[in-house]
Amino acid sequence: DAGVTQSPTHLIKTRGQQVTLRCSPKSGHDTVSWYQQALGQGPQFIFQYYEEEERQRGNFPDRFSGHQFPNYSSELNVNALLLGDSALYLCASNTPGMVDEQFFGPGTRLTVL
Amino acid sequence: AQSVAQPEDQVNVAEGNPLTVKCTYSVSGNPYLFWYVQYPNRGLQFLLKYITGDNLVKGSYGFEAEFNKSQTSFHLKKPSALVSDSALYFCAVRDSFKAAGNKLTFGGGTRVLVKP
Repeated sequence: DAGVTQSPTHLIKTRGQQVTLRCSPKSGHDTVSWYQQALGQGPQFIFQYYEEEERQRGNFPDRFSGHQFPNYSSELNVNALLLGDSALYLCASNTPGMVDEQFFGPGTRLTVL
Repeated sequence: AQSVAQPEDQVNVAEGNPLTVKCTYSVSGNPYLFWYVQYPNRGLQFLLKYITGDNLVKGSYGFEAEFNKSQTSFHLKKPSALVSDSALYFCAVRDSFKAAGNKLTFGGGTRVLVKP
């Protein structure tokens, strides 16, 4: 049973560029959340997708956008990259039940130069 | 708004000794509480959760946590630490109030170092 997978593993971009990160949820899960983890900090919630719609959003600017596909996989897009966007981006999936824990992927390490 | 505090940046313990990692939280409704562990260059691994019921929750790898509503705490414990327990530990909270959604709010993390 494959867990949550993310691609790519690492990414290097320059300021002003755009980036797309990808996530496939754990088998049986239909809800995907994205988190940003800056160095030395805890993960910060970006947004959550369920039934191909953004259901909840954290305190992130509109430069951060996402998408969920019919197979439940998801993309995170970041436009006009800033140096401060350098972080580990984590994808998590779960079933829609509120009591269920989220399962996390290994993350994508984004470096903005 | 929901928040989590992990007051210790690092905890040092000798192998075989008890390990405690502290966590306090704040939510509007009843809390759903979680502990995750992160090894270097890895994602987060789920350890245990408190939803309702017994205040003492048992989880993976011999870890347990005690929910204390009056102190709004959810401390992680292990009776006998192993060197392999050295990692970064995160406490997280979700508000049971449905309108709050099921986003997780994490603490800043506590690094655990278990020395042989």
